Parts: sequence; structure tokens; C-alpha cells
Amino acid sequence: DGGITQSPKYLFRKEGQNVTLSCEQNLNHDAMYWYRQDPGQGLRLIYYSQIVNDFQKGDIAEGYSVSREKKESFPLTVTSAQKNPTAFYLCATTGTGRTGELFFGEGSRLTVL
Amino acid sequence: GESVGLHLPTLSVQEGDNSIINCAYSNSASDYFIWYKQESGKGPQFIIDIRSNMDKRQGQRVTVLLNKTVKHLSLQIAATQPGDSAVYFCAENRNDYKLSFGAGTTVTVRA
Repeated sequence: DGGITQSPKYLFRKEGQNVTLSCEQNLNHDAMYWYRQDPGQGLRLIYYSQIVNDFQKGDIAEGYSVSREKKESFPLTVTSAQKNPTAFYLCATTGTGRTGELFFGEGSRLTVL
Repeated sequence: GESVGLHLPTLSVQEGDNSIINCAYSNSASDYFIWYKQESGKGPQFIIDIRSNMDKRQGQRVTVLLNKTVKHLSLQIAATQPGDSAVYFCAENRNDYKLSFGAGTTVTVRA
């Protein structure tokens, strides 16, 4: 099936640890995004990538890092520098040259213990 | 700063009634808007979109209205069903490759 796969679905980490969230897509979309969602709030853009080997900071990039070595993959690392990492993380893609409909994965819920 | 926002965080509606979810935006340069539905623990799903050269667009049981004069967007759901219970987000195109999302409205359908 075509789609976006995020893993793991649930992740627990201790303070001070880095964690990497996986996002894989087989839609052949060029652009990929990472959003963070907190309870009762909208989605906030962390990082986005328009093309392989290129990515840009979103609105809340501090404490996060990404890579885009392959078209299909856009992993997000939540570093120990992120002050409040507990959240629901959503990966999305779009195939249009300009932002159109975003296709979302099922999300990864990160809890810092 | 410029943002997208929803008028009410929650909406309770009787099954079978019509629902209206509102959204205000402030970026007059935005030319593309989307409504998403998010069920608990899942990613948002596309419902319907509209470009700024239109003021109304209809889908299956849903209608989006755009009033550029007052920068207002609404989603109407006809004959609301229990499966419509979810959080609804509006989003606007700020510029290339970015969408800005509102805080969401939680819709609860009463049997």
C-alpha cells in the first residue's frame, strides 16, 4: 500500500537522551515535513525538506535535527537540548510543487520520563 | 503575528443536525486553504480544500465557504454522524511549501 509510515508509534525516553523518529514514504513525493502537536493546540512546523539533501528550519526547530539522504526517508532526531520534548510528532508529505494537500502519517507519541 | 485560528475550541452537535466550524485567518496573502479531520491518536486526514479565487466548494456532505473580505473560513457538515466526532483543523498556505494550522475544534456528536 502507498503511504507514510512512522515508527515507533510510542516511545519513552529518559531525560538527556537523544531519540530518532522514523518517517518513510513510498508516495514518491518530493517534500516532507515534521510537525509537533501538543494537547489542545494546532500543528507546529519543526523542519521541512523540499528535495533530497536539502532541508529548512520551521517555526520550532530548536532542539531538533533532521536529515534527507533519500527521497523516501526523513528521520527526526529529538535531542537532549529540546526542553519539552513530550508531544505527538507527525510526518507529512506533499507531491505538488507548491504546498497543496499534505498527507500525514499516523504519528509518533514521545514521552519523556 | 499572522496566524490561523478557530473561533471555538469545542462544538457539540446532535446527530442528524448540520455542523458549522469556523476559522479566522489573518494572512491576506494566503491563497489556499484546507480542512483536516483528526481522530484520536491518528494523523490528520484531508477533508476539502479551496483556493482564494473561489468562495464556496462542496464535497460529500461537506461544504467550505471562504469570505476573503473578513478573512473567514467555515466548514459545514451536513447531517452530522457519530463518525464525524473528531478534531477539525483549518490550514492556510503561508508561502511555498508551508501550511499554517489553527488550534482545532473538537466536535462531539450526541446520539
